[in-house]
Amino acid sequence: GESVGLHLPTLSVQEGDNSIINCAYSNSASDYFIWYKQESGKGPQFIIDIRSNMDKRQGQRVTVLLNKTVKHLSLQIAATQPGDSAVYFCAETVSGYSTLTFGKGTMLLVSP
Amino acid sequence: DSGVTQTPKHLITATGQRVTLRCSPRSGDLSVYWYQQSLDQGLQFLIQYYNGEERAKGNILERFSAQQFPDLHSELNLSSLELGDSALYFCASSVGTAVDTQYFGPGTRLTVL
Repeated sequence: GESVGLHLPTLSVQEGDNSIINCAYSNSASDYFIWYKQESGKGPQFIIDIRSNMDKRQGQRVTVLLNKTVKHLSLQIAATQPGDSAVYFCAETVSGYSTLTFGKGTMLLVSP
Repeated sequence: DSGVTQTPKHLITATGQRVTLRCSPRSGDLSVYWYQQSLDQGLQFLIQYYNGEERAKGNILERFSAQQFPDLHSELNLSSLELGDSALYFCASSVGTAVDTQYFGPGTRLTVL
């Protein structure tokens, strides 16, 4: 597959573990955040989003936590599976604007 | 499958040339976004069109231009290509003008030799 980055932070976990991927965002005015998953050779895929009036949001096997005080987001993946192996990006924006600013990404490697 | 299609999948060309990348948004989506993804710059927003009109501009070079046609498909034109333009180019679409869920296409891999 195609590589999206040679110097990405990498998180290696065993199948069945819980994974936590972190992201520091840059704009204190940002109030809408999205996590994307990008598998090798594919475009980014929406995972979960959160607005700044929430601290936590849960999806299927995923949870996003938002700490506005320190401008930090995290994505928790429960019972990580080999199919979760991908690069994960956080993206931020200000409501009403149409542009997303993406973080550099974290590569998640899941071993069977 | 996101419903966003992009052609071609791969493009190899020489410096100084001009290429056109094509994107068809999901059915019902009026906004199209173009992004460039390179190894050193990550995913960078280039430009957005909404219902045929330019809506927002990001880090798009003057050598690059885009348009959205009445059938809502979009084209990204890259001219006077340089080695540094080699990258993945993604198109995304969404329903409205402001950010809501953007659905990304599979991308076009451009290699400039």
